[in-house]
Amino acid sequence: GAVVSQHPSWVICKSGTSVKIECRSLDFQATTMFWYRQFPKQSLMLMATSNEGSKATYEQGVEKDKFLINHASLTLSTLTVTSAHPEDSSFYICSARLGPGPYEQYFGPGTRLTVT
Amino acid sequence: AQSVAQPEDQVNVAEGNPLTVKCTYSVSGNPYLFWYVQYPNRGLQFLLKYITGDNLVKGSYGFEAEFNKSQTSFHLKKPSALVSDSALYFCAVSPQNRDDKIIFGKGTRLHILP
Repeated sequence: GAVVSQHPSWVICKSGTSVKIECRSLDFQATTMFWYRQFPKQSLMLMATSNEGSKATYEQGVEKDKFLINHASLTLSTLTVTSAHPEDSSFYICSARLGPGPYEQYFGPGTRLTVT
Repeated sequence: AQSVAQPEDQVNVAEGNPLTVKCTYSVSGNPYLFWYVQYPNRGLQFLLKYITGDNLVKGSYGFEAEFNKSQTSFHLKKPSALVSDSALYFCAVSPQNRDDKIIFGKGTRLHILP
């Protein structure tokens, strides 16, 4: 149980275009999902916390107009990288929790974005 | 500020030897503690967690972790390392409040040498 999927697993796009990444909790309902960015050989950087039916909460330094997050249902959150640039190339990972406190996060397999 | 420290960027262990990956935290109250593992080009996998009770927690793949409240540590251990244990390991802390966020350490790369 507690499986999180991401789609696509990898994507290559041209500079200036937008890319949408989907994150789904397959066998549980997640009121809260998280979006992370990971650079090579580095730790996770939390980008935003996504709550179903409300606006996402972005971490300091993350441009909310560039990284659009939508949490339309209890099983789906999307991250759209708008007007992508080469510096947006990264590994994006989503996760979901059953609840706060003692509940662990379940992570998606990640999406490798390359902007040319 | 609340934080999680993994003091070692990399740990090298010979196959068959015991391994320890260190983690200390600075969080008010009594937090919940987690360990995750990440294999190359993959998302993170949950290994184990400490909520309350016995200080020694057993998890997946033969891993265990020891909670030490006085030292605010939660070190990951395994009695006999396998080459397949080579991966990136993250320690994480969830404060006992209504905040949904988990605070992650920067990760420790574990190399098991055959």
